[in-house]
Amino acid sequence: DTEVTQTPKHLVMGMTNKKSLKCEQHMGHRAMYWYKQKAKKPPELMFVYSYEKLSINESVPSRFSPECPNSSLLNLHLHALQPEDSALYLCASSNSEKRNIQYFGAGTRLSVL
Amino acid sequence: AQKITQTQPGMFVQEKEAVTLDCTYDTSDPSYGLFWYKQPSSGEMIFLIYQGSYDQQNATEGRYSLNFQKARKSANLVISASQLGDSAMYFCAMRRWDSGTYKYIFGTGTRLKVLA
Repeated sequence: DTEVTQTPKHLVMGMTNKKSLKCEQHMGHRAMYWYKQKAKKPPELMFVYSYEKLSINESVPSRFSPECPNSSLLNLHLHALQPEDSALYLCASSNSEKRNIQYFGAGTRLSVL
Repeated sequence: AQKITQTQPGMFVQEKEAVTLDCTYDTSDPSYGLFWYKQPSSGEMIFLIYQGSYDQQNATEGRYSLNFQKARKSANLVISASQLGDSAMYFCAMRRWDSGTYKYIFGTGTRLKVLA
């Protein structure tokens, strides 16, 4: 089983809203990732959690706030976003015991109005 | 600097033919991993194949094979017997160790269109 589940699949929010993206995996992976992908571009790394601790923040604006409540769950809290934040947000996980192959969820398509 | 280069923005292939998608990489690390992902228009990133830098043989997964030429720093994806469902964006990626964890660098992608 290589399933990473992301919810919601689609999200439309205003610039004053607060929303959260959720990512879940039950593969026992200890590293989890958030990526942002604009149309026709490769994914851009935002955050990396390793063993539930934030290990990499790629200088992401503070209006994006990650959270890893446990080893299976990763959240991305959104607040005061800008229209240019509209993108596909992908979650991924990997495990050193499985050659660190990164498995992705289906993504959340976010539109900021 | 570590980098992945995919020089083919778009490719066409006839159904049932084989196609090669190019990928070159640049790294000074002795240990690294190379990956290919498929991204259909639905958006999900689907893992296809993995090659470790110390692997002696080229990786194969069903109709996918990776032509790994370490000295040339290339890791081309070969898709045999193309199917209409293979039409998608294909990304080459490299794994590297950074700040106590692994990071993955992606190329710009190649859009493949399979023709009936």
